[in-house]
Amino acid sequence: AQSVTQPDIHITVSEGASLELRCNYSYGATPYLFWYVQSPGQGLQLLLKYFSGDTLVQGIKGFEAEFKRSQSSFNLRKPSVHWSDAAEYFCAVGAWSGGGADGLTFGKGTHLIIQP
Amino acid sequence: DSGVTQTPKHLITATGQRVTLRCSPRSGDLSVYWYQQSLDQGLQFLIQYYNGEERAKGNILERFSAQQFPDLHSELNLSSLELGDSALYFCASSVGTGRSYGYTFGSGTRLTVV
Repeated sequence: AQSVTQPDIHITVSEGASLELRCNYSYGATPYLFWYVQSPGQGLQLLLKYFSGDTLVQGIKGFEAEFKRSQSSFNLRKPSVHWSDAAEYFCAVGAWSGGGADGLTFGKGTHLIIQP
Repeated sequence: DSGVTQTPKHLITATGQRVTLRCSPRSGDLSVYWYQQSLDQGLQFLIQYYNGEERAKGNILERFSAQQFPDLHSELNLSSLELGDSALYFCASSVGTGRSYGYTFGSGTRLTVV
């Protein structure tokens, strides 16, 4: 079965500093990978996704992620964080079975705190 | 506004009761997914419907059931509620299979069982 590990439960970053959130996945085939962000009391917003092709993926709000098959990782990065980036970040892998059935397996999330 | 509408936003009910959560997918989306988010288990996939048919089941309890209607809205029915069912329930939709098109999430229904 597929799984996702986000090793960091909390991360604190100063405003303007760079950010990297780690994500490791376990999946038997080529993964479909996603990063979502959840602000307090809100739903999940898609930041970016990787299906195939270029392993460096650009997303919204200045985020990017790099797929590294050899390390089973899909880390999220941002060169300079803003106070509005404070939120919960979830990495997810697509779980597929026959007949077009699919659903996401999520990591436990990383809570990002921005220091002024 | 993501285009996925979930009602109600909040629900408080007693143990043993039954509730129905409703989801209207984004216009044009045929697939609907239900997820449960709790402090203990995190975000868990419950069930998927595609154009009215059940396509996949995740960690959905037997006390829970869902359906997708001809107008593509979906309902998640939770019965014999327990304290541990208190969670945020999300609905997501996609045009076809989410792996190709991505998933759009609603803002969730917060269920509190007392």
